[in-house]
Amino acid sequence: ETGVTQSPTHLIKTRGQQVTLRCSSQSGHNTVSWYQQALGQGPQFIFQYYREEENGRGNFPPRFSGLQFPNYSSELNVNALELDDSALYLCASSLPGVETQYFGPGTRLLVL
Amino acid sequence: GQQLNQSPQSMFIQEGEDVSMNCTSSSIFNTWLWYKQEPGEGPVLLIALYKAGELTSNGRLTAQFGITRKDSFLNISASIPSDVGIYFCAGQSIDAGNNRKLIWGLGTSLAVNP
Repeated sequence: ETGVTQSPTHLIKTRGQQVTLRCSSQSGHNTVSWYQQALGQGPQFIFQYYREEENGRGNFPPRFSGLQFPNYSSELNVNALELDDSALYLCASSLPGVETQYFGPGTRLLVL
Repeated sequence: GQQLNQSPQSMFIQEGEDVSMNCTSSSIFNTWLWYKQEPGEGPVLLIALYKAGELTSNGRLTAQFGITRKDSFLNISASIPSDVGIYFCAGQSIDAGNNRKLIWGLGTSLAVNP
């Protein structure tokens, strides 16, 4: 059984740029959630994807967008990067309606 | 963003001691989860609680779902050095669109002195 993987592991961008983060869900899991974790904070829910559609969203602006593909992998896109977007971005996969989420190691984004 | 009240913020204990941490919320949850996160890793699920009053153990870990559904605690007995990490509580809410999302605490950082 393959766990949740994320790429890249680290990324440095400058303000105003765009970034795409990738996530491969655990085998058999068709629901993917994305979280932003700032230093010293708990994860903040960004959105969730199920069957290639957004299935719930937290308090994040529209410049945070996502995609889910038929193989259940997912992308998180952030446009017009701001300094406060610097954080660890976590992807978690689960079965629909099941609370148990399995997390990837995260992508650490630094915006300069 | 919304976060749960988790305490203590940090703990420094001797190996062999017991540890207790808790989480409170102004909202009712139908599920409470406890995760552990180590540096450079994503959170790992420790215990899931699904019913008010439920007491569940996982080895040296014990967690309870408060009867008001607004709180939960996690106990670690006989701590060992590998217990070091940040422990997070998370409550699951269901929004008007029947979408589930997790609301997280700020974490309890645990250090164990061998």
